[in-house]
Amino acid sequence: NAGVTQTPKFRILKIGQSMTLQCTQDMNHNYMYWYRQDPGMGLKLIYYSVGAGITDKGEVPNGYNVSRSTTEDFPLRLELAAPSQTSVYFCASSYSLPQGAQDTQYFGPGTRLTVL
Amino acid sequence: GNSVTQMEGPVTLSEEAFLTINCTYTATGYPSLFWYVQYPGEGLQLLLKATKADDKGSNKGFEATYRKETTSFHLEKGSVQVSDSAVYFCALTSGNTPLVFGKGTRLSVIA
Repeated sequence: NAGVTQTPKFRILKIGQSMTLQCTQDMNHNYMYWYRQDPGMGLKLIYYSVGAGITDKGEVPNGYNVSRSTTEDFPLRLELAAPSQTSVYFCASSYSLPQGAQDTQYFGPGTRLTVL
Repeated sequence: GNSVTQMEGPVTLSEEAFLTINCTYTATGYPSLFWYVQYPGEGLQLLLKATKADDKGSNKGFEATYRKETTSFHLEKGSVQVSDSAVYFCALTSGNTPLVFGKGTRLSVIA
């Protein structure tokens, strides 16, 4: 199993450009998440999904959009990139236990984005 | 709401020293508690977890015990190595809520 894969690994954008960060998991997990990690800081949840066709906002959703058309894929779209979006972005996935609680989250290797 | 507070770093230790990283939490219901580790340039990976009170999670010489009475989940290791240098995150989830992370504690171990 590849686990959680993210592309690209690195990207530099100009202010106002758009891009999509790709995330794919092959563990058949129903939960998927996007986080950002600013230098020296913890993780902040951007969006998450509890299954195909269902998404919800996290702590810092402004400036981002997501979709979940399949179980495997959860792309994150940045529209009109701004310097404040310079960060490392992590995708994660997890399985839900029968009683509704979440099991361990598995993280991808991250995408380092710089907006100039 | 749910929250996690962990001790601020950085923490610098000599090899073979004893490690404690404190973590306390606030949560509704019966949370599951986790410690994740992030090595330089990598994503987070699960170090250990505990899903109910008095459970002890352990892995790679690290341990943490789920203490409901003190709402704590402190991470300990008896003898750290240089290879343990990383950032450690305490986290919790309760019901179907997403994981809530602490701010992370950077550990540096010197030979």
